[in-house]
Amino acid sequence: GQQLNQSPQSMFIQEGEDVSMNCTSSSIFNTWLWYKQDPGEGPVLLIALYKAGELTSNGRLTAQFGITRKDSFLNISASIPSDVGIYFCAGQLTDSGAGSYQLTFGKGTKLSVIP
Amino acid sequence: ETGVTQTPRHLVMGMTNKKSLKCEQHLGHNAMYWYKQSAKKPLELMFVYSLEERVENNSVPSRFSPECPNSSHLFLHLHTLQPEDSALYLCASSDRVNQPQHFGDGTRLSIL
Repeated sequence: GQQLNQSPQSMFIQEGEDVSMNCTSSSIFNTWLWYKQDPGEGPVLLIALYKAGELTSNGRLTAQFGITRKDSFLNISASIPSDVGIYFCAGQLTDSGAGSYQLTFGKGTKLSVIP
Repeated sequence: ETGVTQTPRHLVMGMTNKKSLKCEQHLGHNAMYWYKQSAKKPLELMFVYSLEERVENNSVPSRFSPECPNSSHLFLHLHTLQPEDSALYLCASSDRVNQPQHFGDGTRLSIL
């Protein structure tokens, strides 16, 4: 099946620093999603991307849909302690007929913010 | 408040027990999903329902049995589970099957 390579696996940063993480795939997607999961909770949708090259922001978060449709990155600017959590990317091929619901998830990037 | 409510939040059961997980969505969505989340592994899709009809069963063992009585409710019936079934079980919903999915907070399941 499809696999997503998400990196880095974990990162420790100082409060106020910017953060960047990315996902790459061996096959194309036409939707990229970024989720954040806090301990004891389910993933929360942060940003959805629908078009190659699209750059979308949600507050301090910015995500881009790669031109090749095989990658996406998420940037967090001026990190704060509540940014701590696990960030997941997910790709979806929404026009593939019977499989269009299938989300392929990365393994996550665990972010720790040092105050 | 995510709009997707799962109960119970935690469940401990023996291998011979029968229990059910419940999911309710208040978002007016038409598709619902069950996922399994294990440590160090990507989320695994288990079942998909669209307009109360099952559209996918991803080679899930028969000891897991889903039920979708209406578009707002989804159940996962559990019977004679194995220790490797211990995991976080997440429910999600979306407006349609090709739309972004919104997750509940999960049920943490431990099999003794």
